[in-house]
Amino acid sequence: RKEVEQDPGPFNVPEGATVAFNCTYSNSASQSFFWYRQDCRKEPKLLMSVYSSGNEDGRFTAQLNRASQYISLLIRDSKLSDSATYLCVVTPYTNAGKSTFGDGTTLTVKP
Amino acid sequence: EAGVTQFPSHSVIEKGQTVTLRCDPISGHDNLYWYRRVMGKEIKFLLHFVKESKQDESGMPNNRFLAERTGGTYSTLKVQPAELEDSGVYFCASSQFSGKGQDTEAFFGQGTRLTVV
Repeated sequence: RKEVEQDPGPFNVPEGATVAFNCTYSNSASQSFFWYRQDCRKEPKLLMSVYSSGNEDGRFTAQLNRASQYISLLIRDSKLSDSATYLCVVTPYTNAGKSTFGDGTTLTVKP
Repeated sequence: EAGVTQFPSHSVIEKGQTVTLRCDPISGHDNLYWYRRVMGKEIKFLLHFVKESKQDESGMPNNRFLAERTGGTYSTLKVQPAELEDSGVYFCASSQFSGKGQDTEAFFGQGTRLTVV
């Protein structure tokens, strides 16, 4: 079993749709959680950190459930520019340390 | 401010040859990480430097891989001799200690695409 598992995807949605990605992690000692976005043949870029209290950034909402070891990302009102691969990332230490990546879930938003 | 830069962007070498990848982290970032993504797999951690010291090299696949960070600035990752299964994209990332117990963002370079033929 992988340490970080994501929805296999791909997700193909029309503009304006709401889409949710799920991620589970197996290491209960994990401390920090992130969603990264990776465009085709580009480097991963931080989309948002994920906190137990949940956090929202515009159309994006991230949730963390430590008891279930589950992370989610909700994208509302999808735009064409949201098309990318979304990576769930888990880190065991608060400040530094190696990150474990999920395989990524690919989203394509169509007109 | 310059981001994390990696060189070369692409490299095609023959099996058995040596290749050296370079990473220049963001100035002032003590943490430097190497990751790689082989075809069809997830991005995997290779190792972590704090300044010039190897903090964690548990992800290095074997002794054909050697990473250095002399002087705590740029880092090199040498593969010698390269094998076919080493093909993939090698990412470098850097981050800074916040000193406040908060998460620090890791910034990634654009990666080096290595093809071993």
